Order: sequence, then C-alpha cells, then structure tokens
Amino acid sequence: GQQLNQSPQSMFIQEGEDVSMNCTSSSIFNTWLWYKQDPGEGPVLLIALYKAGELTSNGRLTAQFGITRKDSFLNISASIPSDVGIYFCAGQLRVFGNEKLTFGTGTRLTIIP
Amino acid sequence: DTAVSQTPKYLVTQMGNDKSIKCEQNLGHDTMYWYKQDSKKFLKIMFSYNNKELIINETVPNRFSPKSPDKAHLNLHINSLELGDSAVYFCASSQSRLAGNNEQFFGPGTRLTVL
Repeated sequence: GQQLNQSPQSMFIQEGEDVSMNCTSSSIFNTWLWYKQDPGEGPVLLIALYKAGELTSNGRLTAQFGITRKDSFLNISASIPSDVGIYFCAGQLRVFGNEKLTFGTGTRLTIIP
Repeated sequence: DTAVSQTPKYLVTQMGNDKSIKCEQNLGHDTMYWYKQDSKKFLKIMFSYNNKELIINETVPNRFSPKSPDKAHLNLHINSLELGDSAVYFCASSQSRLAGNNEQFFGPGTRLTVL
C-alpha cells in the first residue's frame, strides 16, 4: 500500500531549539493530519489541515498544507522535554466511502540534555 | 472518562490460539477503525466500520475478523495466531462519513505478543 515519506526519520536536538519536519506523497490529498505518539500510548491528534496553502497553529506547533497538495510541514518552536516522541503525518483524499488515512513513516524526536 | 478504550492492554499467547481485542468509544462517533503498528512503528489501516457496516477492508488475512455489535464497539477476533501477528493494535474512531472532517481519535493500543 501507499506510504508517505516523512523526513527526517529522527532528530536529536537540544531543549529550546526549533524543529521542522515534512511529509511528501506521490498523490494528492485534501486532508492532512499531524499526530504525536508517546511510548506505550496511542497517537494523539495535534493539528488538522483541510485546504491547500492553509497554515494552522496549536501553541508552539505550526503546520502547513502544501500548495501542491502532495506535502505538509510541521514546525515546533522552542522545544521542551515533553515534545519527545514520534510525530506522524497522515493524509486522506476525502471521497464519500473512503475515509482511509495513510500514515507517514514517522519522525522520532529526541531532546539531548 | 476515556474517549476510546481498548482491552486488554497487553496480550501474550501461543501460536495457533484464538484471541479477541475489544474496543469501545464514548464520543458518539459513527465510524471506527482497527490499525496495526509494526515494530518499525508503521501504522496501517486494517478495517473500518461505519454504523456497524464494514466500509474498509484492507488486504488482511481472513484469520482477522472484526465485529461491531453497535456503533460504539468494534472488536477484533484473530484465529490461529501466527508469530507475524505480534504488533500493537490500535482502535480509532471518527465522527461520521458525512462530516466535513475525518479527525480520528486513537485508543491506547493493545500489544499482542505471539510466542
């Protein structure tokens, strides 16, 4: 099945640094979602995007829906220890009868003390 | 007041056994899903039900059979368990097929280990 390519695969940063990650697809989507997964937990929805070019913020997190509809970006500003985890993008082409989300390969964020 | 709950959290069993995982959501959503997350953390959709009706059925062995007794519950039964079935299984739900969004909310996962 289709996979979304997320990059980078992993990041090692210091507390206070800004973080950028992106997700690319070979086909277009009309919905992009960003999730965070903590160890031993299920993914938690961070931001939802529904329109090409849309820029949406949730606290220190900002995500953008790429104009080509084949990519999306997530930025985290001034990282803190609780930002550690795995970040997943997910794309969907919303057509009645198909609610399937395709998930990215994940970006593992680690904060170096 | 857990939104999406799954039981059990951990399941360790022998090859060849049959097991079930249960999922319940109290969000009033119409659509529920089962995902499998492998050891590399890749999340893949397995099934989706809308109002007790199967709407997505990915290429999953027919040893896996979902059952939805009502729209708040979606259970997963697995027959003749194999080593390769070891993974974390997540249940999720979303509002409705007709809703303007498909924001899916996930349960805490069930870690299945087949020995």
